[in-house]
Formats: sequence, structure tokens, C-alpha cells
Amino acid sequence: DADVTQTPRNRITKTGKRIMLECSQTKGHDRMYWYRQDPGLGLRLIYYSFDVKDINKGEISDGYSVSRQAQAKFSLSLESAIPNQTALYFCATSDLRVYNEQFFGPGTRLTVL
Amino acid sequence: AQTVTQSQPEMSVQEAETVTLSCTYDTSENNYYLFWYKQPPSRQMILVIRQEAYKQQNATENRFSVNFQKAAKSFSLKISDSQLGDTAMYFCAFMLISNFGNEKLTFGTGTRLTIIP
Repeated sequence: DADVTQTPRNRITKTGKRIMLECSQTKGHDRMYWYRQDPGLGLRLIYYSFDVKDINKGEISDGYSVSRQAQAKFSLSLESAIPNQTALYFCATSDLRVYNEQFFGPGTRLTVL
Repeated sequence: AQTVTQSQPEMSVQEAETVTLSCTYDTSENNYYLFWYKQPPSRQMILVIRQEAYKQQNATENRFSVNFQKAAKSFSLKISDSQLGDTAMYFCAFMLISNFGNEKLTFGTGTRLTIIP
């Protein structure tokens, strides 16, 4: 089984809809991250969490919110989706003691029509 | 803020040849890590190699090696004896090491590498 899983893997939604992307990990890591990948822009950090009670904004947090429900779960929500949020979204985790490697999930392809 | 620049959007090379991907970065700090990630068509992000800034010796992982030039803020990836499975998007990334434990990755825009049979 994969250590970092994301659901759904692909999602098509309409403008204005609320959508949640979920990330779960079995690695026992404290730190979790959400990134967005756009063609020509690389990956950009949306939000990150270093433990269950810690939530931090990243580079591009506007229009997004997150919830760290447990050490193993970190969800990303789009409150009112818009077409320019169409992108590939990645969840990642890292260990507090070995912070110099992040482990990525398989990604969620989101299309907002 | 740190920035990472990959100036080669696309590259292609014949199978078995050697190819070098370029990356430059900008920081005023001394303590950091640099990474190369590979993203094949499956879109999974895979760590290829990492370099600690305080180490002068260039990192090597099998066919993959880096040329780390700290003064020039350059971090290129060399792939030797390239294989069809090396076809992927390659991202250079930077992580500043801080006393506050808030390390984050900053990515470049990527280089799409195609290995030609």
C-alpha cells in the first residue's frame, strides 16, 4: 500500500462549488504539505502543518483552506472553486527528525469548469 | 525570499548519452539543501538526489550526479548513460534550514527531458 494517498485522483467540478481534497499517510510523519502544480510554474506551496495544532499559510493560500484532522490526515478545501484553480494538487509529508526529504502523494488532477 | 531558476524548459537526448540539466538559485543564507526531483508521466514526484550546502563534495546516486557550485549558486544535474525511463519532468528545489524548524521547499519551473531511442 502507498504511504501517502490522495483522494480523489481526478475530479471535475463547476465554478462556485465547494470541493475537498483529502490526504492520508501511514508514515507516521508530523509534517504535511499541500502543493499546487501548474504548467510552467512548478510546484507552489499552499498550506503546511507541522503538527495537529499547527497550520501555516504558504505562498498561494488565497481561495483555499485546510484541516488537520489527525496526525495522518490533512485536507485541502476550495470554498468556491474557480477555473484558475484548475491544477494538479500534491500532498507531501516529512519527518520532524529528517526534514530534508518530503514524500509526495500521487496527486489529484482538479478541473474547474 | 529564495528563488530557483531552471532556464531550460525542454531538452532531448539520444539514449545512452549524457545530459546536464541546469539550475540556479538565489539566497543570502549559508545553510540549506538542494534537491532534484523527477516527475515521470505517472506524475509521481520522486527524489533523485540531494545536496547539503555545507558539503563540498558533489552528491552522486548511480547514474545521477550533481555539480554544486556554491559561490555561483549553481546546482546542475548530470545524467549519464541515459535510459528511456529517464524521460520525465525534472524539478530543482531549495530548502532553507532554519533554527525555527519551518523548513519549506521552493521549486523551479522544471525541465522536460525526453530520451530518444
